[in-house]
Amino acid sequence: DGGITQSPKYLFRKEGQNVTLSCEQNLNHDAMYWYRQDPGQGLRLIYYSQIVNDFQKGDIAEGYSVSREKKESFPLTVTSAQKNPTAFYLCASNRQGGEKLFFGSGTQLSVL
Amino acid sequence: ELKVEQNPLFLSMQEGKNYTIYCNYSTTSDRLYWYRQDPGKSLESLFVLLSNGAVKQEGRLMASLDTKARLSTLHITAAVHDLSATYFCAVEDGTSYGKLTFGQGTILTVHP
Repeated sequence: DGGITQSPKYLFRKEGQNVTLSCEQNLNHDAMYWYRQDPGQGLRLIYYSQIVNDFQKGDIAEGYSVSREKKESFPLTVTSAQKNPTAFYLCASNRQGGEKLFFGSGTQLSVL
Repeated sequence: ELKVEQNPLFLSMQEGKNYTIYCNYSTTSDRLYWYRQDPGKSLESLFVLLSNGAVKQEGRLMASLDTKARLSTLHITAAVHDLSATYFCAVEDGTSYGKLTFGQGTILTVHP
């Protein structure tokens, strides 16, 4: 079945530690996105990529980094510079110029 | 900067009743999306509205778009308990497909 796989489902970060969230899609979509969701709030865009080896900052990119070395993969690193990383992180993808976004199942990141 | 506002943010309904959720946005856009989110889960696409006057219906939910008024509505007819969830509208940034700005979400609770 085609879809977007995020892992892990739950992740804990120690202070000063970088952690990486995985996002893989087998939908052959060109564009991929990372959103952050805080409790009781809407989603905010962190980074997005429309083609391999290219990505752009979203509205809240500070403290995060991404790479897009393969079409199917768009990992997100939460660096130690992100002082308030506790949130639900959602990866999404769509066809270039396509319509709706397809979302992964999300990763809940918490700070120890 | 594109802003998206939903109201109400909390909606408690009795089964069998009708109600409307409103989504206002601040800049010109021809693409608006409605999503549903169950607690701790990812987002499920409900509707994609691509032009002024677009109306889509699925079961007890009907969505419409008025691009001139920068307003979308999600109408709920004869609510049932299974509709309890958080509903988000999202508006596409005109510069990039898939770059969505989300509303705060409306938490809908349907009581017997």
